Amino acid sequence: GDSVTQMEGPVTLSEEAFLTINCTYTATGYPSLFWYVQYPGEGLQLLLKATKADDKGSNKGFEATYRKETTSFHLEKGSVQVSDSAVYFCALSPQKTSYDKVIFGPGTSLSVIP
Amino acid sequence: SAVISQKPSRDICQRGTSLTIQCQVDSQVTMMFWYRQQPGQSLTLIATANQGSEATYESGFVIDKFPISRPNLTFSTLTVSNMSPEDSSIYLCSVAGSGEEQYFGPGTRLTVT
Repeated sequence: GDSVTQMEGPVTLSEEAFLTINCTYTATGYPSLFWYVQYPGEGLQLLLKATKADDKGSNKGFEATYRKETTSFHLEKGSVQVSDSAVYFCALSPQKTSYDKVIFGPGTSLSVIP
Repeated sequence: SAVISQKPSRDICQRGTSLTIQCQVDSQVTMMFWYRQQPGQSLTLIATANQGSEATYESGFVIDKFPISRPNLTFSTLTVSNMSPEDSSIYLCSVAGSGEEQYFGPGTRLTVT
C-alpha cells in the first residue's frame, strides 16, 4: 500500500544552519505530496505542497521538490531559526484530491538552538 | 483556508467513561475527517464523515468505540467510548481544502487515567 518514510529524529541544529529532512514515498499512480508542521501544543498546519513531478513547493523559506524518479520530497531551508522548532510531517494524497485520506510519515522533530 | 475549532482542547478522563469531541468549521464542507495521534506518533485516520450519511471507518476502528455524528455541513462530533489508558491521544479533525490539501483543527488532548 501507499506509505511515507522520513528520516528519524530528533534533529538538533544551531540557528542559521542548513536544514534537510529526507522524505521518500511509495504510491501507485501520481500522488500529491505535502509537508505539514506541528508546533508545540498545536494542530497541524500545511507548510507546502506539490502536485506533480518536478513541482517545487515553497513557503516561509522552506522548499521541497517532487522527484518522481527517486520518489522523494525532501524538505530544505537555508537558514533555520529558533521559531522553526517543531515536528515536520511528510504526507501524500493518493488520489490527488482533498476528498481522500492523507497518509502521513512518522514525523521528524526539529529543535533549533540559539 | 478554513478555520476549524475543537472542543474541548484537552481533558483528563477516567477509564470506562466516554468523551465527545466537537469540531466546528467556519464554512460549509462536504467531508470531514477524524485522526488520532498517539503520543510521539504520526497521525492515523479514524474515519471520514460525510453529511447525511454514516461515517466510513478505517481498518482497526469501529463505530461502537468511536461513534461519529455529522448533523450539518459545518459540524461533527467524535465520541471516544468506554475509554482505556490506550485511548490517550490527540484527536484531530480536518476538512478538505479547495485543492488537494486538508486543513486541521488544533486538536483535543485526551488523557485517560
